[in-house]
Amino acid sequence: NAGVMQNPRHLVRRRGQEARLRCSPMKGHSHVYWYRQLPEEGLKFMVYLQKENIIDESGMPKERFSAEFPKEGPSILRIQQVVRGDSAAYFCASSSFTEGEKLFFGSGTQLSVL
Amino acid sequence: QQQVKQSPQSLIVQKGGISIINCAYENTAFDYFPWYQQFPGKGPALLIAIRPDVSEKKEGRFTISFNKSAKQFSLHIMDSQPGDSATYFCAAISSRLTFGEGTQLTVNP
Repeated sequence: NAGVMQNPRHLVRRRGQEARLRCSPMKGHSHVYWYRQLPEEGLKFMVYLQKENIIDESGMPKERFSAEFPKEGPSILRIQQVVRGDSAAYFCASSSFTEGEKLFFGSGTQLSVL
Repeated sequence: QQQVKQSPQSLIVQKGGISIINCAYENTAFDYFPWYQQFPGKGPALLIAIRPDVSEKKEGRFTISFNKSAKQFSLHIMDSQPGDSATYFCAAISSRLTFGEGTQLTVNP
């Protein structure tokens, strides 16, 4: 009965490199959400996806950030040409179609940009 | 635009005391109000939630009080324990989940 699985737990990148964060939703969940948390701050919505569709990306920066949730495999949050300001904890959450308001979160990926 | 305002930012309570965290919202389209608990290095975990047609919901030591006309809701933790020390986030949902800024709760033994 695995929960939301995120990997890696920690990711270190140098400025200009690419970061790929993966999220496997809970079994039976078809909705995936990505949130970003800066130190001592709350969680900020980035993007909401269903299988093969981006439903709401209004919280995602227009440049360098992209997200996908393919038919097979985990959801991927991709950050190109990372900068120091991208350093944060990135959390993925999932929900089911029938109880879409109940979001279950993974343990997050801590991204550090050197 | 901050749509869910949470206070206090930090709270220190003695063991056995009552912890109270308050939230206010602006968007009347919100129709579900959960509270999340987060421990260091972990993701937020759903604690308790309420819908706006109910004024109070209790689960064990945790109670949500909801005032629809004032657009305010609060979390009460009765008989607070050191193990309750964590960051608590209120949240609200219309089309997506919007979080408050969080309250760092410390329960002293």
